[in-house]
Amino acid sequence: DAGVTQSPTHLIKTRGQQVTLRCSPKSGHDTVSWYQQALGQGPQFIFQYYEEEERQRGNFPDRFSGHQFPNYSSELNVNALLLGDSALYLCASSSRTGVYNSPLHFGNGTRLTVT
Amino acid sequence: AQSVTQLDSQVPVFEEAPVELRCNYSSSVSVYLFWYVQYPNQGLQLLLKYLSGSTLVESINGFEAEFNKSQTSFHLRKPSVHISDTAEYFCAVIKAAGNKLTFGGGTRVLVKP
Repeated sequence: DAGVTQSPTHLIKTRGQQVTLRCSPKSGHDTVSWYQQALGQGPQFIFQYYEEEERQRGNFPDRFSGHQFPNYSSELNVNALLLGDSALYLCASSSRTGVYNSPLHFGNGTRLTVT
Repeated sequence: AQSVTQLDSQVPVFEEAPVELRCNYSSSVSVYLFWYVQYPNQGLQLLLKYLSGSTLVESINGFEAEFNKSQTSFHLRKPSVHISDTAEYFCAVIKAAGNKLTFGGGTRVLVKP
């Protein structure tokens, strides 16, 4: 049973560019959340998707957007990249019963470096 | 809004010694509490959680945490650590009926032989 898979594992972009990160949830999960983990810090919630809609959003600018597909996979898009967007981006999946009943399963992340 | 403070950014400890990782939280509503572990170059794995009931919760690999509502704490302990426990540990909270985890800044545990 594959867990949460993310691609790519590493990415280097230049300031001002756009990036798309991808996530496939664990089998049986229908909810995908994205987190940003800056170096030396804890993960910060970006947003959550289920039923192909953004359900909750953290304190991130509109440059951060996402999408969920009918197969529950998800994309995170970041436009107009800033140096401060350099971080590990984590995708987590769960079932819609709630993260407290269904623990979040995290992928290994995508390491984004903006130069 | 909720917030989580992990009081120690790094904890060096010798193998077979005990370790305690401190976590305090702030919230105006009821919350559930979690500890996650992150090994190098990996994502986060759930270590243990407190939802309700007994305030002492245990993991399968010897960790335990105690929920203290009056002190708003959820400290993590292990009586005897192994080299393989070297990792970063994150305390997190979620408000009841919520879907967003709020994480602390993490505590890096380095187990020395």
